[in-house]
Amino acid sequence: EPEVTQTPSHQVTQMGQEVILRCVPISNHLYFYWYRQILGQKVEFLVSFYNNEISEKSEIFDDQFSVERPDGSNFTLKIRSTKLEDSAMYFCASSRDRDNQPQHFGDGTRLSIL
Amino acid sequence: QKEVEQDPGPLSVPEGAIVSLNCTYSNSAFQYFMWYRQYSRKGPELLMYTYSSGNKEDGRFTAQVDKSSKYISLFIRDSQPSDSATYLCAILTGANNLFFGTGTRLTVIP
Repeated sequence: EPEVTQTPSHQVTQMGQEVILRCVPISNHLYFYWYRQILGQKVEFLVSFYNNEISEKSEIFDDQFSVERPDGSNFTLKIRSTKLEDSAMYFCASSRDRDNQPQHFGDGTRLSIL
Repeated sequence: QKEVEQDPGPLSVPEGAIVSLNCTYSNSAFQYFMWYRQYSRKGPELLMYTYSSGNKEDGRFTAQVDKSSKYISLFIRDSQPSDSATYLCAILTGANNLFFGTGTRLTVIP
């Protein structure tokens, strides 16, 4: 069964450094997402991406964050100048199309900011 | 106002029991509802995807939506130890992003 893959599974970074989280969505999917889950809290929407541009973003997704689809298979989340409060699980998801399609998640990257 | 409310549990049941997991939501415009299962150190795995009101059944799992009371449920029949996980309800907004509940941690005891 096709799946969303994320790398690395765990990333440890010093505060203030930049980090890039990588995702390979399901191959025939066109709509991509990033979500975040701080320990003990809900999974929260960050951003959605469609047709090579941001479709929606939450108030969490400020100028510190950016997303990119650098090639035909990868989808990345970049966090500039990381803060302690960025420590969380980051999940990538994809859906087949834009409207009302179920979203399939990867296993996440655990980001630890020291 | 919280968009989705879910009893966090934890919930512990004996093997073979029927499990009922529930969420309430605030916005009557929501029409697409999902249940995800999350094992420890894994991502959310889609279990059920329903539109509008009514029931949807898949094997031992039944998802139920009551739009009049803004209440969604997941029933698990003949629960197994392998069902032990955190169950997340989620609602798809008009902007195509998901609002998640807090998750209910379920343990099925052999």
